[in-house]
Amino acid sequence: QSALTQPASVSGSPGQSITISCTGTSSDVGRYNLVSWYQQHPGRAPKLMIYEVSKRPSGVSNRFSGSKSGNTASLTISGLQAEDEADYFCCSYSTDSPVIFGGGSRLTVL
Amino acid sequence: QVHLQQSGPGLVKPSQTLSLTCGISGDSVSSNTAAWNWIRQSPPRGPEWLGRTYYRSKWYTDYAVSVKSRITITADTLKTQFSLQLNSVTPEDTAVYYCARGVYTMDVWGQGTTVTVSS
Repeated sequence: QSALTQPASVSGSPGQSITISCTGTSSDVGRYNLVSWYQQHPGRAPKLMIYEVSKRPSGVSNRFSGSKSGNTASLTISGLQAEDEADYFCCSYSTDSPVIFGGGSRLTVL
Repeated sequence: QVHLQQSGPGLVKPSQTLSLTCGISGDSVSSNTAAWNWIRQSPPRGPEWLGRTYYRSKWYTDYAVSVKSRITITADTLKTQFSLQLNSVTPEDTAVYYCARGVYTMDVWGQGTTVTVSS
């Protein structure tokens, strides 16, 4: 069982917006602004999409955005495109461990 | 541009030691701002962080509680690489193993190594 809870699957149609949640506790997501999000296509290494809750690395589309409220962080993808179909997982610093991950969410673009 | 290149066997026998190496180009394993991590992934579970090493005037290591008794992560400054050793492996250790750079955010990842534990 992963330390951070994500929905197993989400879906949306091209052009729509979707949001993936990542629920932790007051010892990780709720306490630190150190949440990051990763995109992973099948057979590929993960790619950093969002760091420190809402910052985007250079080269990542501004269709990807992050936010946090209480113990839950969220990744929003606007203007869905076929290429966005992938697995997404969150990560946070925790008082118990430097790095904890979510179980991952599979995004399907209908 | 930083690049991580993993190497090591893809098949390990039960009870033996899993050994992987991650070569670094474009950065230094002795960097005072980086940390060097090992992470594994075994579907349907999410990624599992195993541990890290980093240099802040001296070397430090942090390990996940789940593998703390079996894991060693070391850095080789001359070869600019870091390594993972996981002892007494079982089929439960079968996974894709990644090395990654980052203290709280993993911004660079290796290509991944599929390791199967089987006789």
